[in-house]
Amino acid sequence: GESVGLHLPTLSVQEGDNSIINCAYSNSASDYFIWYKQESGKGPQFIIDIRSNMDKRQGQRVTVLLNKTVKHLSLQIAATQPGDSAVYFCTQAGGYQKVTFGIGTKLQVIP
Amino acid sequence: DAGVTQSPTHLIKTRGQQVTLRCSPKSGHDTVSWYQQALGQGPQFIFQYYEEEERQRGNFPDRFSGHQFPNYSSELNVNALLLGDSALYLCASSLAVGDYGYTFGSGTRLTVV
Repeated sequence: GESVGLHLPTLSVQEGDNSIINCAYSNSASDYFIWYKQESGKGPQFIIDIRSNMDKRQGQRVTVLLNKTVKHLSLQIAATQPGDSAVYFCTQAGGYQKVTFGIGTKLQVIP
Repeated sequence: DAGVTQSPTHLIKTRGQQVTLRCSPKSGHDTVSWYQQALGQGPQFIFQYYEEEERQRGNFPDRFSGHQFPNYSSELNVNALLLGDSALYLCASSLAVGDYGYTFGSGTRLTVV
């Protein structure tokens, strides 16, 4: 079956540094890859998505990179802030199918 | 503009009982998806509703059922509760079935004792 997993369960980053969260996926048929952020006590929040025919997409302070050759996805956060502390999920979807979540990576920002 | 609203926020039920959770989607959204999130885990897809019909279903037993109303709001029902059903239940709404930029509610924390 399809699965989405992460390399690092916890990532600690100094405030102001850049963060890189990595993700491996197994379902090559997905059309979209989406990053969600979940803060404590809240539901997941959409951050950014990328279509399978792209390899890079930038948003405000965030960049998502997609490497279909090795089935790898990454989320880069520039100038990490305390408000970025959360659990980040890489997800995949496509063909009107459900959004599938992985385990998640906890980002801890050290002041 | 209100986002996704879920009620109740917390709930304690006894094993064997039945529970109904409610969700109001974001204004303008017509598709509702339900997820179960166990502590320390990622959300697991339960089912999705569009046009008052269940369109997709995850690997959950028939004890889990749902409904969508004409105003797009939705209910999740769980019968014969088990201790393992204790989790955060999340509702997400989207513009359409093919829209993956879900808006999630803050969830209902269900505890089965």
